[in-house]
Amino acid sequence: GIQVEQSPPDLILQEGANSTLRCNFSDSVNNLQWFHQNPWGQLINLFYIPSGTKQNGRLSATTVATERYSLLYISSSQTTDSGVYFCAVALGGGADGLTFGKGTHLIIQP
Amino acid sequence: GAGVSQTPSNKVTEKGKYVELRCDPISGHTALYWYRQSLGQGPEFLIYFQGTGAADDSGLPNDRFFAVRPEGSVSTLKIQRTERGDSAVYLCASSSRGGEGLNIQYFGAGTRLSVL
Repeated sequence: GIQVEQSPPDLILQEGANSTLRCNFSDSVNNLQWFHQNPWGQLINLFYIPSGTKQNGRLSATTVATERYSLLYISSSQTTDSGVYFCAVALGGGADGLTFGKGTHLIIQP
Repeated sequence: GAGVSQTPSNKVTEKGKYVELRCDPISGHTALYWYRQSLGQGPEFLIYFQGTGAADDSGLPNDRFFAVRPEGSVSTLKIQRTERGDSAVYLCASSSRGGEGLNIQYFGAGTRLSVL
């Protein structure tokens, strides 16, 4: 099956810092989503981005499908950004189960 | 409801018992998914439904696990003869029909299952 690798596994930053999280995947995908899992365990949708670039406030994401990677950028970090960030992909173009990476555990210190 | 609802939020059971976990998807969503998340790992796909039928059950670990969605809305994940290794958070997600909407999955808060 498809492999998803996320880096770094852990990241500790001061409030206000910027960060880049990376997701590499082993095959061509038609679905790629970024999620934030908050300390209570809820998975929150950030981006649906199988290709191209999107921005939402302080967050933006870029997927280069031909090179099989995606990047999530967080600018001006806040303590509420803490949690685990997951990249998840699927090969199919319709409704398919997602394959998740192991996540990046982000801690923002005040 | 506004989001995906899962009940119970926590379930403690004894080894060998039978459990049922319920998922109520976002109203109108035709696709429903079950995942399992162990501590420190990303969610792992179990099964997905398109309407009432299981379109892909390749992630179910063994025949002790079974899921149904009889009316194409609420789904129940059933685990027979529970084992301590079944302890995990079970997550449900749903997505809407058509175009890009079919691919975006929205998750519930999960059911934390503890098998003693």
